[in-house]
Amino acid sequence: ELKVEQNPLFLSMQEGKNYTIYCNYSTTSDRLYWYRQDPGKSLESLFVLLSNGAVKQEGRLMASLDTKARLSTLHITAAVHDLSATYFCAVDGSGAGSYQLTFGKGTKLSVIP
Amino acid sequence: NAGVTQTPKFQVLKTGQSMTLQCAQDMNHEYMSWYRQDPGMGLRLIHYSVGAGITDQGEVPNGYNVSRSTTEDFPLRLLSAAPSQTSVYFCASSLDRTEFGANVLTFGAGSRLTVL
Repeated sequence: ELKVEQNPLFLSMQEGKNYTIYCNYSTTSDRLYWYRQDPGKSLESLFVLLSNGAVKQEGRLMASLDTKARLSTLHITAAVHDLSATYFCAVDGSGAGSYQLTFGKGTKLSVIP
Repeated sequence: NAGVTQTPKFQVLKTGQSMTLQCAQDMNHEYMSWYRQDPGMGLRLIHYSVGAGITDQGEVPNGYNVSRSTTEDFPLRLLSAAPSQTSVYFCASSLDRTEFGANVLTFGAGSRLTVL
C-alpha cells in the first residue's frame, strides 16, 4: 500500500521568511504532483514532477523530486500572505496502468503579515 | 468550458437515506474519479473510471456505487447513508495520460454532505 506523508501538517510563518514542506512516499514512483487548496475551495494543480531531479518553479514556490530518496520538497521563498492555503502532494501508483493518486494529509500554511 | 461540475453543493441526509452526487465534465476526459476529504485525512479515493463502462474501486469504496454510462458523467451513489459518510466529496477528471505520462486532475468545486 502506497503511503504519502507530509510534514509539517501545520505551518505558521511570517511574511518574508523561507520554509520547506516535505513529502515522503513509500513506494517506487516517478510521478509526483503538488496541489493547492484555498479554504472552502477546490484543489488546483501547482506542479507536476515526472522524473528524478525534476525541479519546477512558479513565483515564490519551487518544487523538486528525488525519486531515489522518495522525497519531494516544496520550498517557499519570501512568503507573502497570498500563499496562505493548504498544500497537498500526491503520488501516482507504480505501474503504467495505475490511475490512482494517493494524497498526503496536506500542510496548512498560514502566512502572518 | 465549464470544466468539472458537481451537484449539489450542499446536502443534508438522514441515516439510511440514499442519494446521488452528480459529476459531469465537458473536457472529453477519459479518466474520472471520486475522492472524499475529511479533516486531517487528506483526500481518499473512493472509485474511479478509465472510460465509459469501466469502473474500479479505490481506497474507501464501501457504501458507495458508481457507474459510467457516458464519457461525460460519473455519478456517485450512496445506498444507505451513514454518519461516517459525512464529508466533502470531490469529483476529478483527467486526460488518459498526457504525452509525458502525467495524470493531472481537474477538480470540481466539491459537494458537502452531512448525514444526521
